[in-house]
Amino acid sequence: ELKVEQNPLFLSMQEGKNYTIYCNYSTTSDRLYWYRQDPGKSLESLFVLLSNGAVKQEGRLMASLDTKARLSTLHITAAVHDLSATYFCAVDMRTGANNLFFGTGTRLTVIP
Amino acid sequence: EPEVTQTPSHQVTQMGQEVILRCVPISNHLYFYWYRQILGQKVEFLVSFYNNEISEKSEIFDDQFSVERPDGSNFTLKIRSTKLEDSAMYFCASSVLGGAAVGELFFGEGSRLTVL
Repeated sequence: ELKVEQNPLFLSMQEGKNYTIYCNYSTTSDRLYWYRQDPGKSLESLFVLLSNGAVKQEGRLMASLDTKARLSTLHITAAVHDLSATYFCAVDMRTGANNLFFGTGTRLTVIP
Repeated sequence: EPEVTQTPSHQVTQMGQEVILRCVPISNHLYFYWYRQILGQKVEFLVSFYNNEISEKSEIFDDQFSVERPDGSNFTLKIRSTKLEDSAMYFCASSVLGGAAVGELFFGEGSRLTVL
């Protein structure tokens, strides 16, 4: 059974601090997505990682993918309150239908 | 900016009733999806749709569920006889590419279904 596990599930951090969210998955896949979800809202696409060693950065967020370790990270640099949200990683099942298997989510709270 | 739109935003129904959730995908997109999220839990894949037929469906998508694209713009999810456990937020998504090609999914705002 495919598993996509995120760590930690809950993260409370102070503004200005750095932290990393980890996403481990149990199947072979070279497509990994990160999404952000605000409470009661939809899923906003943050990053699409397509190959081993891929690294993408947008503002204070940087995502990387290690397909051999089946691990993706989402690094937060100098957190600000606006980053408070739930972050999901999702693995493409590669069944030919863009079937995404989502992780459990990491609820991030940035404290001023 | 083009977006996926969903209606209704919230629907309350009695157990056993039929529900239709509607979605208008982004106009040039070819692949369509339904996902659901039970409150406080992760997002789960239900079904994908391409070229007027289902490409893939999950175990959740049983005989009570159906999808169709009746008029070339709308994409609907029907639940024939709702159960309490169908209560969730249902997200529609669409992508330009799919299958073996990379398809970045764009999600709608969701339709919250409450079954009493």
